Amino acid sequence: ELKVEQNPLFLSMQEGKNYTIYCNYSTTSDRLYWYRQDPGKSLESLFVLLSNGAVKQEGRLMASLDTKARLSTLHITAAVHDLSATYFCAVDKSGSRLTFGEGTQLTVNP
Amino acid sequence: NAGVTQTPKFRILKIGQSMTLQCAQDMNHNYMYWYRQDPGMGLKLIYYSVGAGITDKGEVPNGYNVSRSTTEDFPLRLELAAPSQTSVYFCASSYYRESEEQYFGPGTRLTVT
Repeated sequence: ELKVEQNPLFLSMQEGKNYTIYCNYSTTSDRLYWYRQDPGKSLESLFVLLSNGAVKQEGRLMASLDTKARLSTLHITAAVHDLSATYFCAVDKSGSRLTFGEGTQLTVNP
Repeated sequence: NAGVTQTPKFRILKIGQSMTLQCAQDMNHNYMYWYRQDPGMGLKLIYYSVGAGITDKGEVPNGYNVSRSTTEDFPLRLELAAPSQTSVYFCASSYYRESEEQYFGPGTRLTVT
């Protein structure tokens, strides 16, 4: 059974600081997705990572994938309040099925 | 494009009642999915479909049924609702599996009392 673990689950950080969210998964996969969810809202796609070594950046967020270590990271640079949300990683298991992590609830304080 | 739409937005059911959650997409996507999200948790896959007439179980299918008679629509049926089915339900779609992210609807918040 595929397990996807994120850490930390809760993250409170100050504006302007950097931090990294980690996503570990238990079985081989080379497709990993990052989503953002604002409170009471739906999920918004952030990044699609499709191969070992893939790195994608959008604004203050950068995601990477190491399939050999079964690890993806979401790095936040110089955080701003607008980045406060819950971030999910999801791994493509097989047959179009995604397994989601529990989510990392990020709060950026002024 | 409306994207992925879901109705209703909110619903309260009594134990033992049945209902259908509607999901439609206008992006001509082949793949459609139903997830549930319990408070403070990630999403769990209930059922999915790779095309009209084809459906398959996900991680937590018990207590639910689906059908896919058209490319656009993928309704989720709850029979004999139970309190354990209190959750937020999200429908999603994608064009095809390889390299495509899933696009999510706004969700249906269901309470069973």
